[in-house]
Amino acid sequence: SQTIHQWPATLVQPVGSPLSLECTVEGTSNPNLYWYRQAAGRGLQLLFYSVGIGQISSEVPQNLSASRPQDRQFILSSKKLLLSDSGFYLCAWRGKGGTEAFFGQGTRLTVV
Amino acid sequence: AQSVTQLGSHVSVSEGALVLLRCNYSSSVPPYLFWYVQYPNQGLQLLLKYTTGATLVKGINGFEAEFKKSETSFHLTKPSAHMSDAAEYFCAVSLIYNQGGKLIFGQGTELSVKP
Repeated sequence: SQTIHQWPATLVQPVGSPLSLECTVEGTSNPNLYWYRQAAGRGLQLLFYSVGIGQISSEVPQNLSASRPQDRQFILSSKKLLLSDSGFYLCAWRGKGGTEAFFGQGTRLTVV
Repeated sequence: AQSVTQLGSHVSVSEGALVLLRCNYSSSVPPYLFWYVQYPNQGLQLLLKYTTGATLVKGINGFEAEFKKSETSFHLTKPSAHMSDAAEYFCAVSLIYNQGGKLIFGQGTELSVKP
């Protein structure tokens, strides 16, 4: 069966520090991968998606970047965090022939 | 462009009462529609989905939703609320074959269930 792993579960980082959040998927190949951010009362905002290795589409201009160095690995990064980067970050995957997306357990990021 | 509007950011019902969470979508082509549930500090779990075929779809935990093309709606219902239904619910739309099949979500509706 397929599983998705996200880590860490929680993270507290100072303003101006770098960020690296990792997401990996098991049990499938060549999935579509997504990073979402959830801010309080604002629903889920799609940040990036990827349809293959090295292919990244950005949905909104921001202080973050994404990379897909391997087929089932999706990384969210920042060189210098801002207070506004705080939120709940969710990784998701969908099979090429599938319909719904499957979500990881999320990372709660607090920038202080 | 696709979009989703969920009417009511907070809905409160009594245990045993009908649950109705509203969702309207905008899409230039027939969409795929989804309802997800989120418990505090957790990821999203799929409740149900509409792709093609029967417009009344049944999901987990006794929930169901009806796709109404003429009203561009996909409202979520449950005949009798349980305390365990208290959570946040998200409606989403997707074009499977375009733009990576990304899901666009509504703002979410927090459901409270009173004893």
